Amino acid sequence: NAGVMQNPRHLVRRRGQEARLRCSPMKGHSHVYWYRQLPEEGLKFMVYLQKENIIDESGMPKERFSAEFPKEGPSILRIQQVVRGDSAAYFCASSSRGGTEAFFGQGTRLTVV
Amino acid sequence: GEDVEQSLFLSVREGDSSVINCTYTDSSSTYLYWYKQEPGAGLQLLTYIFSNMDMKQDQRLTVLLNKKDKHLSLRIADTQTGDSAIYFCAESNNDMRFGAGTRLTVKP
Repeated sequence: NAGVMQNPRHLVRRRGQEARLRCSPMKGHSHVYWYRQLPEEGLKFMVYLQKENIIDESGMPKERFSAEFPKEGPSILRIQQVVRGDSAAYFCASSSRGGTEAFFGQGTRLTVV
Repeated sequence: GEDVEQSLFLSVREGDSSVINCTYTDSSSTYLYWYKQEPGAGLQLLTYIFSNMDMKQDQRLTVLLNKKDKHLSLRIADTQTGDSAIYFCAESNNDMRFGAGTRLTVKP
């Protein structure tokens, strides 16, 4: 049973480009969480999704960021027109239902040059 | 919003006990967690405690929960250099909220 898979592990984008980060939850998990970890800082909650629904996006920046978790396929975190300040590690976690233990992926490290 | 707070740094000597503290504000939290993050890696679930428990012990790890004060602690007995990492406290009700992490440094 594979764990939470995130890809790519490392992503380099030029300022103004788009970044797409993918997260495949553990088998049987229908809840996905995205977190951002800035260098030398802790985790910040971004968004909580169930299949085809955004449950809580209170941590998402109002512009340029969006997330989806379609019925089929991975969850996608999309950052449009990236800026240097978007450089961070983005972690995805999944759980079988809300409020239970979440298992994390290895993260995608985004570098904006 | 609801907050989870931790001290940012802790330094101990090898063989000593480490105690990492966490406070949270959401009184309806159902589970509380400790995660470990080693350099360049993702988060690993260490242990968790249900909100109606006071204590949970797992080998060298002891979790204490004071629900009245909304205070959670993680004690690591006989701390080793391999325990050097960032430790995140998290609470959940419907979603999960994390503290900023405590960076534990173990000195030989």
